[in-house]
Amino acid sequence: EAGVTQSPTHLIKTRGQQATLRCSPISGHTSVYWYQQALGLGLQFLLWYDEGEERNRGNFPPRFSGRQFPNYSSELNVNALELEDSALYLCASSLRAASTSTDTQYFGPGTRLTVL
Amino acid sequence: DQQVKQNSPSLSVQEGRISILNCDYTNSMFDYFLWYKKYPAEGPTFLISISSIKDKNEDGRFTVFLNKSAKHLSLHIVPSQPGDSAVYFCAASALGDKIIFGKGTRLHILP
Repeated sequence: EAGVTQSPTHLIKTRGQQATLRCSPISGHTSVYWYQQALGLGLQFLLWYDEGEERNRGNFPPRFSGRQFPNYSSELNVNALELEDSALYLCASSLRAASTSTDTQYFGPGTRLTVL
Repeated sequence: DQQVKQNSPSLSVQEGRISILNCDYTNSMFDYFLWYKKYPAEGPTFLISISSIKDKNEDGRFTVFLNKSAKHLSLHIVPSQPGDSAVYFCAASALGDKIIFGKGTRLHILP
């Protein structure tokens, strides 16, 4: 069974540009989560999508946005890139929205975004 | 405001001994706690979890202890093996809401 996949592996952009990161969940999973792992800050929750709807959002500015497609894959868009957006962006998927907190999230390998 | 705290950035343990990773939390609404393990260049992988109705959960060499009154949980690895060298993230969630992660503790298993 294929795990969560993310593309690209690495992405280099300059300040002010836009970045698009992609995630394909495990087959059968309907929930997709995005996290940012910046240096020294651990994993910061960004966004949570389930069945095409945004379910929750972390404390990030509106220039961080995303969407979930009918096939449950997801895209994270970061507009007007700033230097501090440089981080590892991790996507995770779970079988369904973790309403009972028992659905394990499975993580992809991440996309390393570098903003110059 | 950090709701899940892992105060030790790194920990070194001799192979074969017990590794104890600690985690503190501030939100009394948290009802589910998880530990994830992360190798370099890979995403975190789920290790073990515990519900707030329990105070201990064991899975092979891994045991998680929860002390609700102290808002503290710990992960015990016995015996520690070289493959256990990784970054360990403590995480918590409340009533099915988003999962909050700690900053992680890097565990080094020494030969």
